[in-house]
Amino acid sequence: EPEVTQTPSHQVTQMGQEVILRCVPISNHLYFYWYRQILGQKVEFLVSFYNNEISEKSEIFDDQFSVERPDGSNFTLKIRSTKLEDSAMYFCASSPRTGGSYEQYFGPGTRLTVT
Amino acid sequence: SQQGEEDPQALSIQEGENATMNCSYKTSINNLQWYRQNSGRGLVHLILIRSNEREKHSGRLRVTLDTSKKSSSLLITASRAADTASYFCATVRQGAQKLVFGQGTRLTINP
Repeated sequence: EPEVTQTPSHQVTQMGQEVILRCVPISNHLYFYWYRQILGQKVEFLVSFYNNEISEKSEIFDDQFSVERPDGSNFTLKIRSTKLEDSAMYFCASSPRTGGSYEQYFGPGTRLTVT
Repeated sequence: SQQGEEDPQALSIQEGENATMNCSYKTSINNLQWYRQNSGRGLVHLILIRSNEREKHSGRLRVTLDTSKKSSSLLITASRAADTASYFCATVRQGAQKLVFGQGTRLTINP
């Protein structure tokens, strides 16, 4: 069964560094998302992406963040100048959104630790 | 703001019993989805119920939706140890794309 994959599974970085989190969505899906979950807290929406542009973003998704679909398969989240409070589990998701199908399929997540 | 809130926050039952988790939300929705998360792992989609549906079944799962009360419930019948996980409801507003998650219910099935 097709699934969303994410790399790396765990990323440790120093405060102020840039990180790129990578995702490969399910191949025939049209919508792509990033969410994050700070330890012990609820899952929070960051951004959605459709037709090569951001379609919706949260107030969390400020200029520190950017997303890109550099080729036909990868979907990346870049965090510039990381802060301690960026430490969280970051989940990528994709959705077919055709025929009224709104289910979002999540990857296993990347645990980002900022030291 | 729209928010799914589950209760109880934690539920511990014996294997074989049924588990019921509830979710409330605040605004009009297009659909409501339930997800499972095993400790430290990703989110697994369980079931989606649309705003014009009242009940949906999938295997041992039964979901109900009451839009007048802005609430949903997830029933897991004949629970198994492998059902131990956190369960989240997430809502999607009309015209929106993002999922808005609740805090989740931590379910423990005791053998």
